[in-house]
Amino acid sequence: GQQLNQSPQSMFIQEGEDVSMNCTSSSIFNTWLWYKQDPGEGPVLLIALYKAGELTSNGRLTAQFGITRKDSFLNISASIPSDVGIYFCAGPWETSGSRLTFGEGTQLTVNP
Amino acid sequence: DTGVSQDPRHKITKRGQNVTFRCDPISEHNRLYWYRQTLGQGPEFLTYFQNEAQLEKSRLLSDRFSAERPKGSFSTLEIQRTEQGDSAMYLCATKSAGRNNEQFFGPGTRLTVL
Repeated sequence: GQQLNQSPQSMFIQEGEDVSMNCTSSSIFNTWLWYKQDPGEGPVLLIALYKAGELTSNGRLTAQFGITRKDSFLNISASIPSDVGIYFCAGPWETSGSRLTFGEGTQLTVNP
Repeated sequence: DTGVSQDPRHKITKRGQNVTFRCDPISEHNRLYWYRQTLGQGPEFLTYFQNEAQLEKSRLLSDRFSAERPKGSFSTLEIQRTEQGDSAMYLCATKSAGRNNEQFFGPGTRLTVL
C-alpha cells in the first residue's frame, strides 16, 4: 500500500542551531504541505509546495518539493524556543482527491 | 476571529454515550474535512463535504459515526455508543474552492471516553 515516511521522529537541539527534517512517499504527491502542531491545538499550515523542484521560504523556514515528486524536506534556521512542537508533512496522494495523508511527525525540542 | 472554530474543545463521556461535535468553517470555504488524531500519530482522514454534499468517507468511519453539513456552512460529527477506542482529537479543516490543496485546521475537540 501507499506509505508516507517522515524522519527523524524526534530532534533535540540547542537554540540557534539549524534543523532539517524530511518526508518520503511511495507514490507521487501533487502538493506537499508542512504543518506545525502545538500541544492541544490543531495543525497550523507553514508552507505549501506545488511544483517539483520548488523551493519556498517562510521566514526562517525553507521547504523543497523533490524533483521525483515523492519527497520533501523542511529546514528551520537559527532555531528559537518557540519552534518547539510537532512538524508534519502532508499531501494528497495523486489518486486520492483532496484528502490529506500525514506523516508520523517530527517532535522538535529546542534547549535554550 | 475568522479561522476555523470547533466546539467543544474538550469532551469527557462514559462508554456507550452519544457525543456530537461542531465545526464552523472559514466563511468562504466550501470544502470541510474531518480528521481523527490519536496520540503520537498524524491526523487521519475521516470524511469530507463539498458544500452540503458528503463526497467521501474513510473506512475508519464506522456506522457509529455520522457527519452532516446541512446548509453547507457548519458541520457536526456524531459518535453513537462511544467506545474507549474513540478517544482521540477530532480535527476539522476547511479549504476554498479551486485547485490548491491548502487545508486550514481548527483547534480540535479532545474526546476522552471513560
